Amino acid sequence: DAKTTQPNSMESNEEEPVHLPCNHSTISGTDYIHWYRQLPSQGPEYVIHGLTSNVNNRMASLAIAEDRKSSTLILHRATLRDAAVYYCILRDTGTASKLTFGTGTRLQVTL
Amino acid sequence: GAGVSQSPRYKVTKRGQDVTLRCDPISSHATLYWYQQALGQGPEFLTYFNYEAQPDKSGLPSDRFSAERPEGSISTLTIQRTEQRDSAMYRCASSLAQDTGELFFGEGSRLTVL
Repeated sequence: DAKTTQPNSMESNEEEPVHLPCNHSTISGTDYIHWYRQLPSQGPEYVIHGLTSNVNNRMASLAIAEDRKSSTLILHRATLRDAAVYYCILRDTGTASKLTFGTGTRLQVTL
Repeated sequence: GAGVSQSPRYKVTKRGQDVTLRCDPISSHATLYWYQQALGQGPEFLTYFNYEAQPDKSGLPSDRFSAERPEGSISTLTIQRTEQRDSAMYRCASSLAQDTGELFFGEGSRLTVL
C-alpha cells in the first residue's frame, strides 16, 4: 500500500478554518485519497474522498495538489465537536478493497 | 438495520478461552470488514467479505483468528485460545460494494483477556 505522512497533532481555535495536510509522494494513478476521522470513543467516520479534482461536501473540502503527491483536508469552521483523529488513506481500487489506516493527525480545538 | 451493530459491546475472558464476536451490517451492504484497534493506535485490517466470499484475510494475525459470513449478511469473528495480546477493540464496518470507499463502522466490541 502506498504510504501517507501526516503530522501527529495540530491545534485550532474554534470557528477558525483548519487545514490538515497529508503527503503521499508514492501515490499511483489508481489510488483514491480518502479521509476518515475518529472521535473519542467512537468508530471511524467517513469524511470525504477524491481522485484528482478538489471535492466539497457538507463536512469538509479536499484540496488535491496537481501532481497528487499531497492533499489537504479543510474544515471551514472548526467546532469543539471536530476534535478527533483524522486519517488520510490511499485506496487502490484496482487491486484492493481494504482501507489501511495509519496513525493520523490528532486535532485539538480550543475556545 | 439503520447502522452497523456489533455484539457484545464488552467481553472479558480468561486466557485460553474461545471468543466469538458478532457483526450485523447495514442490510443493503455487500461488503463487510473486520478491524482490530489497540488503544491509541489506528485500526488494523483483519479481513473482509464480499457477500459470503472472503477475498482477503491477510490481516488475521494467526490461525487462532477466523471469520465467517455464511449467508452474506451477519458475520462472526472467532478467536480461539485467547491470549492477553488479543485484548483490543474489534471493529466491524460495511460498505455498499467493495469498490466504494465509504465504510460505515459499528461501535466496536472491546475484548479484554485476563
